[in-house]
Amino acid sequence: AQKITQTQPGMFVQEKEAVTLDCTYDTSDPSYGLFWYKQPSSGEMIFLIYQGSYDQQNATEGRYSLNFQKARKSANLVISASQLGDSAMYFCAMREGQDTGNQFYFGTGTSLTVIP
Amino acid sequence: SQTIHQWPATLVQPVGSPLSLECTVEGTSNPNLYWYRQAAGRGLQLLFYSVGIGQISSEVPQNLSASRPQDRQFILSSKKLLLSDSGFYLCAWSVGLAGNQPQHFGDGTRLSIL
Repeated sequence: AQKITQTQPGMFVQEKEAVTLDCTYDTSDPSYGLFWYKQPSSGEMIFLIYQGSYDQQNATEGRYSLNFQKARKSANLVISASQLGDSAMYFCAMREGQDTGNQFYFGTGTSLTVIP
Repeated sequence: SQTIHQWPATLVQPVGSPLSLECTVEGTSNPNLYWYRQAAGRGLQLLFYSVGIGQISSEVPQNLSASRPQDRQFILSSKKLLLSDSGFYLCAWSVGLAGNQPQHFGDGTRLSIL
């Protein structure tokens, strides 16, 4: 089974609107971390936001927030007030375990296009 | 602060030629190190990861190999490149014993096999 599933290959959003990128995960480990990365066309992977499995509140970083629904095993990324520079690939990732999580599992990504 | 350097940025190699991609990390000690490959428009495929000097775990059987001769140096190699080895190669590091720490990536190497 896939550890990370991103079901939206491509998304479009109007500039200044909010957009939600979906991510579901699969793990039996009670301790895990969820990460979102942005990859512009230049190729570098930029870390955006982190959510721990024991965190009580949804993570927020500026215009990025994570809608964490533990029972549903989903960790959707919400980008508010979209900007043209937000156009990129977005990857959801998971790291299992608190101290021994050496592997990161990545989803297949969602391509976001912001329309002016 | 920590930095990761990966080179070269682009590489064009003929089929059957050898390969050596290098990655070094500065500003941290005993990091976990990773090599990923990304085909055009696709997700990341983990190739190798290392938790210490000389310790390499391979995730995908292939004609590539990795080595970690020093704590902060990670090398991806091949004796004979195949056309299917074309792609975007990313090196990454993470803190070894902290589950809430993300991976940090280098700028990547675009490898084209002719």
